[in-house]
Amino acid sequence: EAGVTQFPSHSVIEKGQTVTLRCDPISGHDNLYWYRRVMGKEIKFLLHFVKESKQDESGMPNNRFLAERTGGTYSTLKVQPAELEDSGVYFCASRQTGASYNEQFFGPGTRLTVL
Amino acid sequence: GQQVMQIPQYQHVQEGEDFTTYCNSSTTLSNIQWYKQRPGGHPVFLIQLVKSGEVKKQKRLTFQFGEAKKNSSLHITATQTTDVGTYFCAGPNYKLSFGAGTTVTVRA
Repeated sequence: EAGVTQFPSHSVIEKGQTVTLRCDPISGHDNLYWYRRVMGKEIKFLLHFVKESKQDESGMPNNRFLAERTGGTYSTLKVQPAELEDSGVYFCASRQTGASYNEQFFGPGTRLTVL
Repeated sequence: GQQVMQIPQYQHVQEGEDFTTYCNSSTTLSNIQWYKQRPGGHPVFLIQLVKSGEVKKQKRLTFQFGEAKKNSSLHITATQTTDVGTYFCAGPNYKLSFGAGTTVTVRA
């Protein structure tokens, strides 16, 4: 079974540019999460999808971030325009509803560097 | 909002020694999860604790959930080089609040 995949693995952009990150969850997982880890700090929750609906987006930093999950499969996270403080590793995770554990399966992350 | 604190932030261990990392929450948790992230990798689920006072073991790893369900610990015995990485506690449920993690390095 394929795990959670993320694309790209690395992205280096200049301040003011736009970047779109993609996440493909494990097939059949209705729950999809985005997290971010800024260097040296804790992993912070950004938002949670259940299928195509945003269940909780309380962690989104500001309106420069837009997440979508059309069709309830893969998700994208767009940052527009990017700022220096957006640099970090963006993780996507998925979880199966009703699983005995609340285990979240993390993707490899996208390392975003804003110059 | 809920805050999860972990100590120590760094743990440098001699191979073969034991160590413990601690996790404290500002609020009572319905459950707590532990994840491990290897250098350059991504968080991987280790275990979930649900019951007050619960203790679970995975080989050389012992996880404990406090009686008040506000703290947890991970104890590793006979540390090996494969234990290198950052250990995170997180909780609860779907919206994981992670601690800053304990980054473990091992000297042979």
